[in-house]
Amino acid sequence: DAGVIQSPRHEVTEMGQEVTLRCKPISGHNSLFWYRQTMMRGLELLIYFNNNVPIDDSGMPEDRFSAKMPNASFSTLKIQPSEPRDSAVYFCASSTRGRGGELFFGEGSRLTVL
Amino acid sequence: AQSVTQLGSHVSVSEGALVLLRCNYSSSVPPYLFWYVQYPNQGLQLLLKYTSAATLVKGINGFEAEFKKSETSFHLTKPSAHMSDAAEYFCAVSENSGNTPLVFGKGTRLSVIA
Repeated sequence: DAGVIQSPRHEVTEMGQEVTLRCKPISGHNSLFWYRQTMMRGLELLIYFNNNVPIDDSGMPEDRFSAKMPNASFSTLKIQPSEPRDSAVYFCASSTRGRGGELFFGEGSRLTVL
Repeated sequence: AQSVTQLGSHVSVSEGALVLLRCNYSSSVPPYLFWYVQYPNQGLQLLLKYTSAATLVKGINGFEAEFKKSETSFHLTKPSAHMSDAAEYFCAVSENSGNTPLVFGKGTRLSVIA
């Protein structure tokens, strides 16, 4: 079975550019999570969706960040404009809500903002 | 609010020695607890989870963890370290029978010395 698929795996961009990260969750999973990983802060939850509806976006650092889930098989995380401090690995994870909270992670998108 | 503390950001053991990675949690209700492993340039993979059944939980690759409510701990152990165990390990907690997003600790990097 295919796992969580993220793209791109690596992105290098210049400050001020728009960045779009993409995620395809595991089929049948109805919860989707975006995490950010940095050396300084570890894994931070940015936002999560249940049945395509955003439930909690309190972890989104600024208005420059936005996330959408137009259907059950696709989500995007957008940063506009990007800044060097946004450099991190962004993970998407999915789960079947209520099944003990187990998350299935994608391999991550490594973002470098110059 | 739930939280996780992992003692020691870096642990180094000799091959064949006992592995002990410490995790203490804070939760206002009985928690679900998890250990994940992250290999370089990969996403997180579930090692094991505790969901209010047996307090000693066995996971993959010979790892196990024991839930101790009196100590609010969920330490991860393996009797004999292998070189392939070198990775980053994350403890995580979820409340409400797993219906709330996982909160992760900052991780412990395990090095295995030949």
